[in-house]
Amino acid sequence: SQQGEEDPQALSIQEGENATMNCSYKTSINNLQWYRQNSGRGLVHLILIRSNEREKHSGRLRVTLDTSKKSSSLLITASRAADTASYFCATDRQAGTALIFGKGTTLSVSS
Amino acid sequence: GAVVSQHPSWVICKSGTSVKIECRSLDFQATTMFWYRQFPKQSLMLMATSNEGSKATYEQGVEKDKFLINHASLTLSTLTVTSAHPEDSSFYICSARDLTTVSYNEQFFGPGTRLTVL
Repeated sequence: SQQGEEDPQALSIQEGENATMNCSYKTSINNLQWYRQNSGRGLVHLILIRSNEREKHSGRLRVTLDTSKKSSSLLITASRAADTASYFCATDRQAGTALIFGKGTTLSVSS
Repeated sequence: GAVVSQHPSWVICKSGTSVKIECRSLDFQATTMFWYRQFPKQSLMLMATSNEGSKATYEQGVEKDKFLINHASLTLSTLTVTSAHPEDSSFYICSARDLTTVSYNEQFFGPGTRLTVL
């Protein structure tokens, strides 16, 4: 079953611009994670934010989590063509259970 | 970081045949592995949870007699697609949970297996 919904479904930007993707989920969570997937390839783990955290940074990535609104956002700053990929949020209800993925946002960064 | 492998990376088979996909945790023990399916331009859908030494738990709508899962050791889970048909063509991805990071539920994903049924 699908837990999260990302928006936008597709995003096209120019190199150097920032990209913001949003994710909403339906039930309480243990933590929320963001993954990247290049076309036809496997998943790359980007960042994990725990349910008691509100913001986390990793390089050019910034993730926020608002558990009261059941939503998260992923910001990629100074985007590059290599950031072109699909981005998924994934949540789990409790530790040890399966990750449930959102529908994803397809990001296209043109040079 | 922990590594999960899948074999084969891609497979083409004829309709009606069975295909086995292996998922291995290479440098850690995984009591639980998960199997996902991804159709083109769609997200990953959880198919089943594979527990070492016990029967797998399947998600609603996933036929357990068609997608046989065996998790015989702490490092290996297999998914067998029986009597495959063209509609089973998809990207199958497994993930494994590292026992030492249970509190963070960090899961490690395999690179995926692309199945094409002719």
